[in-house]
Amino acid sequence: AQTVTQSQPEMSVQEAETVTLSCTYDTSESDYYLFWYKQPPSRQMILVIRQEAYKQQNATENRFSVNFQKAAKSFSLKISDSQLGDAAMYFCAYISGGYQKVTFGTGTKLQVIP
Amino acid sequence: DAGITQSPRHKVTETGTPVTLRCHQTENHRYMYWYRQDPGHGLRLIHYSYGVKDTDKGEVSDGYSVSRSKTEDFLLTLESATSSQTSVYFCAISESMPGRHQPQHFGDGTRLSIL
Repeated sequence: AQTVTQSQPEMSVQEAETVTLSCTYDTSESDYYLFWYKQPPSRQMILVIRQEAYKQQNATENRFSVNFQKAAKSFSLKISDSQLGDAAMYFCAYISGGYQKVTFGTGTKLQVIP
Repeated sequence: DAGITQSPRHKVTETGTPVTLRCHQTENHRYMYWYRQDPGHGLRLIHYSYGVKDTDKGEVSDGYSVSRSKTEDFLLTLESATSSQTSVYFCAISESMPGRHQPQHFGDGTRLSIL
């Protein structure tokens, strides 16, 4: 079974600074997808960014980018120019290519300091 | 935003009572999921459905059953609720496309408290 590990239960960052959230996963599959979700206090789960394992280029969405290291099974999220609205729980998620079941990490709580 | 409605949004009930949570979608997506979210565990899959009357178990399915008689509705039932089932429950949907897996979109969650 696949596992997803987020080793940082909590992180903090100064407003306008950059922060990186780490995620590692364990799988024997070659075809899979990785996602970062954001969960603000409103409890909604919001998709932040996705990465296909077959793509070598790191995904980018505005201030959010990933550092995908397939050999190391690492998928970190970088948030640039942090804003107060970025404060939330962030979940890393893995989905194997042949199925629709998703495995989530335990989350990282991000605090943004004004 | 994806059209997903969970009902009820909050529920308090007693141990031993049956509970049914409903997830309704307007997107005509094939896949629907039920998760529970607990501190320190992230989201854990309870059951999922890959079509009408087609369901399968997730990693924490004990004590839960599901039904999907229509594309738009996915019901989660706790036959006899226990305090360990106090949690926040999320429904999610996704539409697979050949060669391109789509992300899941989530409902707003149901907070269930079992006393």
